[in-house]
Amino acid sequence: QVLLVQSGPEVTNSGSSVKVSCKTSGKSFQSLSINWVRQAPGQGLEWVGIFTASVDVTNYAPRFQDRVTISADTSTKTVYMEITGLRSEDTGVYFCASGSYMDVWGNGTTVVVSS
Amino acid sequence: EVVMTQSPATLSVSPGERATLSCRASQSVSNNLAWYQQKPGQAPRLLIFGASTRATGIPVRFSGSGSGTVFTLTISSLRAEDIGVYYCQQYDKWALYSFGQGTTVDLK
Repeated sequence: QVLLVQSGPEVTNSGSSVKVSCKTSGKSFQSLSINWVRQAPGQGLEWVGIFTASVDVTNYAPRFQDRVTISADTSTKTVYMEITGLRSEDTGVYFCASGSYMDVWGNGTTVVVSS
Repeated sequence: EVVMTQSPATLSVSPGERATLSCRASQSVSNNLAWYQQKPGQAPRLLIFGASTRATGIPVRFSGSGSGTVFTLTISSLRAEDIGVYYCQQYDKWALYSFGQGTTVDLK
């Protein structure tokens, strides 16, 4: 069973960037697909994008295509999500989750963007 | 992009009664549909995948049905611990997924 451990909370300013990590263990990294999902305060789940390790490919939801970059470090079995040009609307909890149907979730990383 | 629409937004059900949640896709997603439960302050939990297969450890009172564009999650006999927000998610098109906006289930 895969385990996903995310980095700690971030407080940052509008216009800056943030990079959140998701460290994997318990399963071959090459077999994993890792999604990122955003949840704004009091709102629903929003799919951001995915890294598919077997083909080393990333895909993004259209609304995040321009400002989000998902990357991976195979040596540490860690997947990253970077958001640039932060706005107050980017405040929320960001989860990583494995698989096309997401059976394992990380603990979530809170990102607060202050203006 | 496939748009997922859930109804109702809020469902109030008495303990022991049946809860029926709906999810509709803007185009066919075959049976590539999952359901999640989320409680406050927690990560979502996978309940159903493949439209009707219960995930490991999920009680039998949870069942899913449907295919194509119309799906249903049924809780046959609601318990107090079932209150929370339920989301559907399609994974039909490889690496281009989407969630519904959620249905809140609370106790009547």
